[in-house]
Amino acid sequence: GNSVTQMEGPVTLSEEAFLTINCTYTATGYPSLFWYVQYPGEGLQLLLKATKADDKGSNKGFEATYRKETTSFHLEKGSVQVSDSAVYFCAQTQGGSEKLVFGKGTKLTVNP
Amino acid sequence: GAGVSQSPSNKVTEKGKDVELRCDPISGHTALYWYRQSLGQGLEFLIYFQGNSAPDKSGLPSDRFSAERTGGSVSTLTIQRTQQEDSAVYLCASSLLGSSYNEQFFGPGTRLTVL
Repeated sequence: GNSVTQMEGPVTLSEEAFLTINCTYTATGYPSLFWYVQYPGEGLQLLLKATKADDKGSNKGFEATYRKETTSFHLEKGSVQVSDSAVYFCAQTQGGSEKLVFGKGTKLTVNP
Repeated sequence: GAGVSQSPSNKVTEKGKDVELRCDPISGHTALYWYRQSLGQGLEFLIYFQGNSAPDKSGLPSDRFSAERTGGSVSTLTIQRTQQEDSAVYLCASSLLGSSYNEQFFGPGTRLTVL
């Protein structure tokens, strides 16, 4: 079945460091790909998405590119801030199955 | 506008009791989803509603779990004869249309603790 694998955390960085959180997927067909974020004490919210190969999703300085050849959707940010501390979830959906399939989540802590 | 709301925010119950969890989706959203977030299993899909019908209930873990949606709006997730392994945060989400392209908006969750 469809699945999502993302790097295990926790990840601890200093402010202004470069961030990469790896995410790969298995799917039949062509899924839509998402990054969701859960800030401390808050609900899940969509960070960015991409619906077809080579699309780049971006928001709040974060980017991820849908790579069909490597079945990946890695999350990157050039300079993290303390306020980016949260748990990040990679997820996919596929036409005909509207449910989101999530990775295990990666906890990011950014220190000043 | 109002987001997805869930009640109660916290529920503590004894093993063997039944519980009902409620979800109020964003007004006008036709699709509604239930997920479960637990330490051991991460985020798992439970059931999906399009209007009042549930075309995908493949994630319900056992027949102790059931859900309904009425009037194309409010949904209730019922767990009968709760077990300790049911302890988790139960999340509800809604989207404008049930499509793999549409963003799902999540509620704050109900934290269920089964003693």
